[in-house]
Amino acid sequence: AAGVIQSPRHLIKEKRETATLKCYPIPRHDTVYWYQQGPGQDPQFLISFYEKMQSDKGSIPDRFSAQQFSDYHSELNMSSLELGDSALYFCASSLEETQYFGPGTRLLVL
Amino acid sequence: AQKVTQAQTEISVVEKEDVTLDCVYETRDTTYYLFWYKQPPSGELVFLIRRNSFDEQNEISGRYSWNFQKSTSSFNFTITASQVVDSAVYFCALSEAKYSSASKIIFGSGTRLSIRP
Repeated sequence: AAGVIQSPRHLIKEKRETATLKCYPIPRHDTVYWYQQGPGQDPQFLISFYEKMQSDKGSIPDRFSAQQFSDYHSELNMSSLELGDSALYFCASSLEETQYFGPGTRLLVL
Repeated sequence: AQKVTQAQTEISVVEKEDVTLDCVYETRDTTYYLFWYKQPPSGELVFLIRRNSFDEQNEISGRYSWNFQKSTSSFNFTITASQVVDSAVYFCALSEAKYSSASKIIFGSGTRLSIRP
């Protein structure tokens, strides 16, 4: 069965640079979520989109923005990167109540 | 506010032992969903089970079983005859049930399970 696809899988950036993470949901899933997982921590909700509209917002910094496109894929844009942004970023998609997670993008900010 | 508590930070057992991971949750919602996810060393989050708040029937799937007790706000997970491949971090999680599917998940802090050969 098709799963959630995230790219890139690994990313290394310098402080103050920008990064764009991409997420391709499971086909026919209409909702996309972004989570951030710091080292040794649980995933924290950032933002979600339902039918291409932002539906909920969590602890997402103002330096981050996201959108869902007409083909339902989503992008998380991160600017002015800080050392503390180093984390595993998950995208998840759902059609009903269960969120299926992608493999994550591991971001390292140097 | 919603909260999930996994009091066991780390558990280590010998292979073939049974092990239970505890999960206690708090919510003011009358309708909600409970989940368990597995995160192996490779890092991905693997969905294991979803439970609706109105369905307290316990569930068994192979060596895995789940005990949902609304009266004590607990949703415990038992692995029978554990295997080395069960070694992972296990997250219990909670989400509000909305008319649409766009409900964020609140995760517990996770329990790191190590199965020794």
